[in-house]
Amino acid sequence: SAVISQKPSRDICQRGTSLTIQCQVDSQVTMMFWYRQQPGQSLTLIATANQGSEATYESGFVIDKFPISRPNLTFSTLTVSNMSPEDSSIYLCSAGESGSPLHFGNGTRLTVT
Amino acid sequence: GESVGLHLPTLSVQEGDNSIINCAYSNSASDYFIWYKQESGKGPQFIIDIRSNMDKRQGQRVTVLLNKTVKHLSLQIAATQPGDSAVYFCAEGPNSGYSTLTFGKGTMLLVSP
Repeated sequence: SAVISQKPSRDICQRGTSLTIQCQVDSQVTMMFWYRQQPGQSLTLIATANQGSEATYESGFVIDKFPISRPNLTFSTLTVSNMSPEDSSIYLCSAGESGSPLHFGNGTRLTVT
Repeated sequence: GESVGLHLPTLSVQEGDNSIINCAYSNSASDYFIWYKQESGKGPQFIIDIRSNMDKRQGQRVTVLLNKTVKHLSLQIAATQPGDSAVYFCAEGPNSGYSTLTFGKGTMLLVSP
C-alpha cells in the first residue's frame, strides 16, 4: 500500500495568513483527495486533486479558499487561504488506485489564532 | 456498554471480549463499504472493505457484515486488545473507485485491560 507523508504535521497560524500543506506519496497513484476533520468529528471531502488539471471541489468548498495543486502522480498541495479560527482543523491527504483501499496520511493539525 | 459522548458514540469493552461496532449507511445505491481505525494523532488506517455483492468478509481478527436490506454495516473484532482502542469509521461509496467516499460519524472503542 502507498505510504503518504504530509508536511507540516501541525502548525499554529495567525488569522489572515495562508498555509500550504504538502502531500507526498511514495508511488504513483491515480487518485488523490483532500479531507478535513474537525476535532471529534468525521471526515469531510474537500476536493479531488486532479493531475494536470483543476481540482474538483465538493459543495461548500471553493478554489479561492482552498487552492490545490497536483503537478504529478505522487505530489499534491492544499493551501488554506486567508485563514480564520473556523479553519482550525485536521487536514488529511489520501491517495489510492481504483479497486484498492484508499489510504491516508497522518494529517496536518492546524490551529488559527 | 454503548453510550453517546460529547461528539462520538463510545463502546467500552474488556480486554479479550468480542466487540461489535455498528454503522447505518444512507445511500441504497452504495456499492462499496470500508472500515477505518483512527488512533489519536494519526490518520485513518484501513482495516477491511466489502463490496455489495457480499454479505460477509473476514480478515485477521476482524469480520465485516453487510445487510443491504436495512442498510447496516458492522465490524466485529475478536478478542479485543488494548491496542484496538481507537475511533472506528465506516465509509460508503458508489463503487470501488471511491471517488466520493462518504464517512460515518465514528465510534470510539475503549478497551480496558
